[in-house]
Amino acid sequence: AQSVTQLDSQVPVFEEAPVELRCNYSSSVSVYLFWYVQYPNQGLQLLLKYLSGSTLVKGINGFEAEFNKSQTSFHLRKPSVHISDTAEYFCAVLYNTDKLIFGTGTRLQVFP
Amino acid sequence: DAGVIQSPRHEVTEMGQEVTLRCKPISGHNSLFWYRQTMMRGLELLIYFNNNVPIDDSGMPEDRFSAKMPNASFSTLKIQPSEPRDSAVYFCASSLRGQNTEAFFGQGTRLTVV
Repeated sequence: AQSVTQLDSQVPVFEEAPVELRCNYSSSVSVYLFWYVQYPNQGLQLLLKYLSGSTLVKGINGFEAEFNKSQTSFHLRKPSVHISDTAEYFCAVLYNTDKLIFGTGTRLQVFP
Repeated sequence: DAGVIQSPRHEVTEMGQEVTLRCKPISGHNSLFWYRQTMMRGLELLIYFNNNVPIDDSGMPEDRFSAKMPNASFSTLKIQPSEPRDSAVYFCASSLRGQNTEAFFGQGTRLTVV
């Protein structure tokens, strides 16, 4: 079955510290990978995406993610977080160019 | 383009009433997704359409839920009769299948069934 797993429901971190949000997905022949961010009472915005090519992708707001096919992972990283990064982060996988499945989300809480 | 437009933004209804949520996708997009977001279950894919045709509705929780896409610029999600456990935020998203595959989301409809 197609599924996306975000292992951490909440990640607390102090400002300027590095952070990694984990994402694993069930394997498939064709996958495209995404990270979205959701601020309170808003819809989802795209942070970054992997379609093909370099496995390290860079997105907005200083975030980056690395596609690891052998481990079926797509972890999100940022070397130094800001208070304004506090939000819910969702990993998503597009299976067979058709079905877009989301993980359950990780709440990133940045403390001063 | 104004993006994906959902209406209403908020809906409060009594148990047993019919609820209809509406979505206008981005012009030119040919895939449309309906999601339900709750604290317990996160973002669940309910149904998606390609070229106005429902492709996978396996996420629709019960027969009380139905979705239609009569044309490329409009879709509805209907709950009849509604129950308190249907309370959630419902999102619609659209994308251009086979091209830039990013999905764009609407602002969501917050449904409260009392």
